[in-house]
Amino acid sequence: DAGVIQSPRHEVTEMGQEVTLRCKPISGHDYLFWYRQTMMRGLELLIYFNNNVPIDDSGMPEDRFSAKMPNASFSTLKIQPSEPRDSAVYFCASSLAPNSPLHFGNGTRLTVT
Amino acid sequence: AQSVAQPEDQVNVAEGNPLTVKCTYSVSGNPYLFWYVQYPNRGLQFLLKYITGDNLVKGSYGFEAEFNKSQTSFHLKKPSALVSDSALYFCAVRPPTDSWGKLQFGAGTQVVVTP
Repeated sequence: DAGVIQSPRHEVTEMGQEVTLRCKPISGHDYLFWYRQTMMRGLELLIYFNNNVPIDDSGMPEDRFSAKMPNASFSTLKIQPSEPRDSAVYFCASSLAPNSPLHFGNGTRLTVT
Repeated sequence: AQSVAQPEDQVNVAEGNPLTVKCTYSVSGNPYLFWYVQYPNRGLQFLLKYITGDNLVKGSYGFEAEFNKSQTSFHLKKPSALVSDSALYFCAVRPPTDSWGKLQFGAGTQVVVTP
């Protein structure tokens, strides 16, 4: 199994631009999570899905952030417009069941200038 | 509300010595507890979990953790540390009432193992 695949690995963009991060979870995993990691705030859960349905988006910082999961094998996290404070590493993770381990992708390092 | 604390930002240990990374939690009911490790420029990797049963849990790469309900702790241990164990370690907790699997991660502890 290839694991959770995220793209791109690095993204550098200017303030005000739209950014789209992509994730392919492990096949058969019913849960998908988006996390953000920064030095200041550590790991933050942004949103998670169960069977493609968003369950909890209370961690999404603002309306500028949106996430979709159109099917079981693909999810996107979009930031529009982006701001310098959005600079972070964004991780996607998937799991088989509530008590199963999370499998993380290698993340997307976003830099907004 | 649930919370998890890792009181040490960094742990330094010489190779071959025992390694302990501390974690305490606050959650209603019996928690589900996890340890993850993160190497540079990589995502987190699962090490071990406690759901129920034996308080001593064995995991990957020779790590183990002991669930202590009275002290609300779940410390990670390894009898003999390797230089390759140098990484960032995260404790995570999920209350049993959350059926959707939402984890709360600690701030992380950087482990540095010197040759």
